[in-house]
Amino acid sequence: ETGVTQTPRHLVMGMTNKKSLKCEQHLGHNAMYWYKQSAKKPLELMFVYSLEERVENNSVPSRFSPECPNSSHLFLHLHTLQPEDSALYLCASSPVTGATNEKLFFGSGTQLSVL
Amino acid sequence: AQTVTQSQPEMSVQEAETVTLSCTYDTSESNYYLFWYKQPPSRQMILVIRQEAYKQQNATENRFSVNFQKAAKSFSLKISDSQLGDTAMYFCAFRVESNYQLIWGAGTKLIIKP
Repeated sequence: ETGVTQTPRHLVMGMTNKKSLKCEQHLGHNAMYWYKQSAKKPLELMFVYSLEERVENNSVPSRFSPECPNSSHLFLHLHTLQPEDSALYLCASSPVTGATNEKLFFGSGTQLSVL
Repeated sequence: AQTVTQSQPEMSVQEAETVTLSCTYDTSESNYYLFWYKQPPSRQMILVIRQEAYKQQNATENRFSVNFQKAAKSFSLKISDSQLGDTAMYFCAFRVESNYQLIWGAGTKLIIKP
């Protein structure tokens, strides 16, 4: 496999469930990102990891918990979510963080529905 | 505040026509990069084209070109000879030197009709 892979593609969960989203990149990149995409809104950056260390946390509620065990894998642990958390969650990677002209490589996202 | 505005929520054109998607942005920084990303129905966002703010020459990538007007803070995307595979959401974004975060627009849904 090449590129950025996200699983699952779709997820339906109740507000009391605990689930995890997985992202894997095979590009040898050092930076990984979680974005939230809601309809008709700009993408919202949630978390940034550089060399497995979190470098950005954009005031995301604690019910979202990221984990980056190595530079190839990124998880987003979900618990006690709210219906307004329903959205497409995108993972992205880049060679490094901080380069102005840097291109992001995205996965196909997990479409999350919270009931 | 740094913002991106895409004033066309949805556009529709016939195959082979030329279409222009508009984007305006706001920043007080002088050096930055501008981007257009495409998100097809497969949902995987891919970079279409990028432009450095201090370069006056407009970027081109095959059928895709931009019209960059720095004074007007405008960065429109032109797609020539549109194809069915161009059907997608298109997002305009920029990043300034002092902050690596991308600032995104809300997107334009482009439909290419056969």
